[in-house]
Amino acid sequence: DTAVSQTPKYLVTQMGNDKSIKCEQNLGHDTMYWYKQDSKKFLKIMFSYNNKELIINETVPNRFSPKSPDKAHLNLHINSLELGDSAVYFCASSSRTSGMDEQFFGPGTRLTVL
Amino acid sequence: TQLLEQSPQFLSIQEGENLTVYCNSSSVFSSLQWYRQEPGEGPVLLVTVVTGGEVKKLKRLTFQFGDARKDSSLHITAAQPGDTGLYLCAGASWKTSYDKVIFGPGTSLSVIP
Repeated sequence: DTAVSQTPKYLVTQMGNDKSIKCEQNLGHDTMYWYKQDSKKFLKIMFSYNNKELIINETVPNRFSPKSPDKAHLNLHINSLELGDSAVYFCASSSRTSGMDEQFFGPGTRLTVL
Repeated sequence: TQLLEQSPQFLSIQEGENLTVYCNSSSVFSSLQWYRQEPGEGPVLLVTVVTGGEVKKLKRLTFQFGDARKDSSLHITAAQPGDTGLYLCAGASWKTSYDKVIFGPGTSLSVIP
């Protein structure tokens, strides 16, 4: 059974379009995240939700809007896509109550903006 | 601002060789995690170290947390091609509920058969 799943795996779209990426975790974790990994493989946190509450909101353009309908789901909607948005986006989850905050990552969504 | 540095950035070795990867920071962390990421996949947690000076072993991999909890090392003995991947260290702090895990830039390891 997949612990953290995200769809789609690949997303190719034109500049200016709006797209969404979905994420689901079945680990019973209380916290979910979106990370962006650029071409140099640097992993940078974008957002974090704890029990559906936004707790981390890094300096991300407001074209990016996360939504957490429940503790097991965290979606990412991107408006007016730009060339610089091309990257791999990872969803992750953790149990902050464990005190370790160990991250469990999804397989990633490779976004290519043409 | 908390930052993690990793060295070397790239490493290419022959199968059977030993290697050490370093993770350094000027900040103290409550715990430090090591992940391995293979091409086309998400990072996978290898180990978490919590206590200063702690050493953990995972088969041929040995992880050590510095006494001051600011740095860590990963030593691989007799590297295998299956060890190829991007190794990421990540530090966690617990000063506030808004603290986040900080990732280092990674060490890209290539083990040549």
